Amino acid sequence: SAVISQKPSRDICQRGTSLTIQCQVDSQVTMMFWYRQQPGQSLTLIATANQGSEATYESGFVIDKFPISRPNLTFSTLTVSNMSPEDSSIYLCSVGGGQDTQYFGPGTRLTVL
Amino acid sequence: GESVGLHLPTLSVQEGDNSIINCAYSNSASDYFIWYKQESGKGPQFIIDIRSNMDKRQGQRVTVLLNKTVKHLSLQIAATQPGDSAVYFCAENIAGGTSYGKLTFGQGTILTVHP
Repeated sequence: SAVISQKPSRDICQRGTSLTIQCQVDSQVTMMFWYRQQPGQSLTLIATANQGSEATYESGFVIDKFPISRPNLTFSTLTVSNMSPEDSSIYLCSVGGGQDTQYFGPGTRLTVL
Repeated sequence: GESVGLHLPTLSVQEGDNSIINCAYSNSASDYFIWYKQESGKGPQFIIDIRSNMDKRQGQRVTVLLNKTVKHLSLQIAATQPGDSAVYFCAENIAGGTSYGKLTFGQGTILTVHP
């Protein structure tokens, strides 16, 4: 299985600011995904990030709010822009997919004051 | 996927008992299903998966059952241990097309194992 790391592991931010979350994988992967997990809830897919193409966003998520980069096959970033307290969540990246097992990173715990 | 509420279902068991966690999925086109375990402060950890051409799959101490007729998935944990205490999520996927690789998660179940 892939080993996935995320930075930062947690952060406390002021409203109106932006935070960029990094996701690093120890092997080259085609598909990477970003999920949000609001407090006490399940995971919701934000977008799919494939190298060499623009990210594909799910309903309710837009590029201006959650810009994503995928510069190579082992790395991706998710930015949470112009944050509000409602953005307080755990943000998780994952790799794999389709009929392959999807593995998750440890998550970034974001609190917006 | 399933609607998500603020209060997750809970299951409390005694150490050594067998646990059964249930999940109803919504999309009859889903053909791949995964169970994840999430411990406090960690990301989801893969437990076991099953494809739609199967109705049962066994792993170490875990068994997943799939009933496509009623769109129901269950995870059975044998001889439950305190280390099994966590939130358990089912996830479904549709292979192919624009849904390739996208997981839809169920609401989750909190499992508490008492020594």
